[in-house]
Amino acid sequence: DGGITQSPKYLFRKEGQNVTLSCEQNLNHDAMYWYRQDPGQGLRLIYYSQIVNDFQKGDIAEGYSVSREKKESFPLTVTSAQKNPTAFYLCAIASGGDLNTQYFGPGTRLTVL
Amino acid sequence: AQSVTQLDSQVPVFEEAPVELRCNYSSSVSVYLFWYVQYPNQGLQLLLKYLSGSTLVKSINGFEAEFNKSQTSFHLRKPSVHISDTAEYFCAVSNNAGNMLTFGGGTRLMVKP
Repeated sequence: DGGITQSPKYLFRKEGQNVTLSCEQNLNHDAMYWYRQDPGQGLRLIYYSQIVNDFQKGDIAEGYSVSREKKESFPLTVTSAQKNPTAFYLCAIASGGDLNTQYFGPGTRLTVL
Repeated sequence: AQSVTQLDSQVPVFEEAPVELRCNYSSSVSVYLFWYVQYPNQGLQLLLKYLSGSTLVKSINGFEAEFNKSQTSFHLRKPSVHISDTAEYFCAVSNNAGNMLTFGGGTRLMVKP
């Protein structure tokens, strides 16, 4: 929302291929998060990062990898080890002054064929 | 550990009628509570939040929610809904460490003319 961009909005990949989803923010927020959403379900945390060059696993990190080389960018790679990668992926950010409140990007819908 | 239960997966309601979307949580520590709204194929938008202070919080578009610590609830209400309120609504809870948002399964509000 606002200063958070996720690209592309729709992504199609063949099974067995790695794919990287982009999340960029220009709000100078410290923390960034990746969630996965499956139809009819809530969101589940994949990875999060509160400072550059540091990140932590969430509840469902297996089959995913991230990097945080720059404050404004937090790309997510869905690897071939992820058994069921088709889902809606949402990136979120939070300010150091209020880490409790997260703001979400528009999402990327990944379909693995 | 913390968890969130949204008791109704779908709530159909006629336009201009009142609505309540129910949310109950469990946590062993102090919590912060949030309601997010999601329109089809979009990210989540923050609707309102309770961090501290008054237990009744309001959004700019007529929704309100009340934090009830004894009943561990944070129900969302609106006295008169519009067609444009049709969306998925998610309740979420954060612990005071500020790095983990736990979501409920969502409630689909369907406003009928």
